[in-house]
Amino acid sequence: AQSVTQLDSHVSVSEGTPVLLRCNYSSSYSPSLFWYVQHPNKGLQLLLKYTSAATLVKGINGFEAEFKKSETSFHLTKPSAHMSDAAEYFCVVSSMNTGFQKLVFGTGTRLLVSP
Amino acid sequence: DGGITQSPKYLFRKEGQNVTLSCEQNLNHDAMYWYRQDPGQGLRLIYYSQIVNDFQKGDIAEGYSVSREKKESFPLTVTSAQKNPTAFYLCASSLTGGAGGNTIYFGEGSWLTVV
Repeated sequence: AQSVTQLDSHVSVSEGTPVLLRCNYSSSYSPSLFWYVQHPNKGLQLLLKYTSAATLVKGINGFEAEFKKSETSFHLTKPSAHMSDAAEYFCVVSSMNTGFQKLVFGTGTRLLVSP
Repeated sequence: DGGITQSPKYLFRKEGQNVTLSCEQNLNHDAMYWYRQDPGQGLRLIYYSQIVNDFQKGDIAEGYSVSREKKESFPLTVTSAQKNPTAFYLCASSLTGGAGGNTIYFGEGSWLTVV
């Protein structure tokens, strides 16, 4: 079975400082991993995804994530936070099961950005 | 513009009433999904469909029903058997096939409240 653990329910940063959102996964084989962002009362938007190509994945809005198999981690980072980054972030592990793409979601990390 | 349209954005249900949430996509995706989101939790899968006229139960299907008569449309009915329906509902779609790395695209969501 696959699982995802987002290690922080809330992260607070100041505008202009680095962002680190942590995610650990469990999978019996090489997974596909995603980070999605959700602004209040909105749907989820894809930030980036890892699908067994380059381990350092660059996404939209300056975010990137590094797949580390030895640590079973897929942490999301950004060098400099912006006020507009305040949102909920979900780490997701994906696999194919009898032709169906099953997603397992983490419980989310709320990013707070202060001026 | 291509995307997923959910309606209504806000819906109120009286006790004992069935309500239907609409989901339409123009991305030409074969797979469609319904997720439920509760505060502080990740998304949970209600139903999914990989092809027209076929759909499967997800992890929390009790009290819900769906249909897939057209490729573009995947409406969700919340029946009176669903005892705790107040939640944010998200419709999604994706391509099929591959090894689990297909991006899943989300609609803007619908809020359902029991009054």
